[in-house]
Amino acid sequence: GENVEQHPSTLSVQEGDSAVIKCTYSDSASNYFPWYKQELGKRPQLIIDIRSNVGEKKDQRIAVTLNKTAKHFSLHITETQPEDSAVYFCAVGGGGADGLTFGKGTHLIIQP
Amino acid sequence: DAGVIQSPRHEVTEMGQEVTLRCKPISGHDYLFWYRQTMMRGLELLIYFNNNVPIDDSGMPEDRFSAKMPNASFSTLKIQPSEPRDSAVYFCASSRGRRDQPQHFGDGTRLSIL
Repeated sequence: GENVEQHPSTLSVQEGDSAVIKCTYSDSASNYFPWYKQELGKRPQLIIDIRSNVGEKKDQRIAVTLNKTAKHFSLHITETQPEDSAVYFCAVGGGGADGLTFGKGTHLIIQP
Repeated sequence: DAGVIQSPRHEVTEMGQEVTLRCKPISGHDYLFWYRQTMMRGLELLIYFNNNVPIDDSGMPEDRFSAKMPNASFSTLKIQPSEPRDSAVYFCASSRGRRDQPQHFGDGTRLSIL
């Protein structure tokens, strides 16, 4: 089945700096790559997603890039703010496995 | 849109008791997923349904766990008998489509087994 690796597990950045979280996957047939944000005690919420027919997608301060050849994709957050502090999960879908396969999560800490 | 609705939000019970978690998916969504989240194991898929039919329950940890979906707007996850290691947050999610569609999560049930 699909194997999703997410790095780093914890990321601490200064407020205003950029943050990058990376994920790799194993199933070359996968074609859907969402990112979820989970604040403490809350549910995971979809923040951005990308499909395999595009290489990059941007929504205000967040962007996702995809390299299908290398089978990795990344979440980029620019001008980080305190409210960006949360756990971020990447996920992969559309391949041989049903549903989404989630990474283990990255705890993003924004230092004031 | 009301989103995915789960109940109860919190459940504290003693080991050996039966626990029933409930989920109402988003109207029109034909897939429903049950997840368990712990610090050690992250988000684990337990079981999912398509058009009310269980498709894959290979993630259900033991026979103590069972799930049903009697109609398109209601699903239950039952643990009987419950054990302390079942303590976790249980999420329900729904989607329109199986493999390449976003899943929308409910607020979860925080379960504590004493």
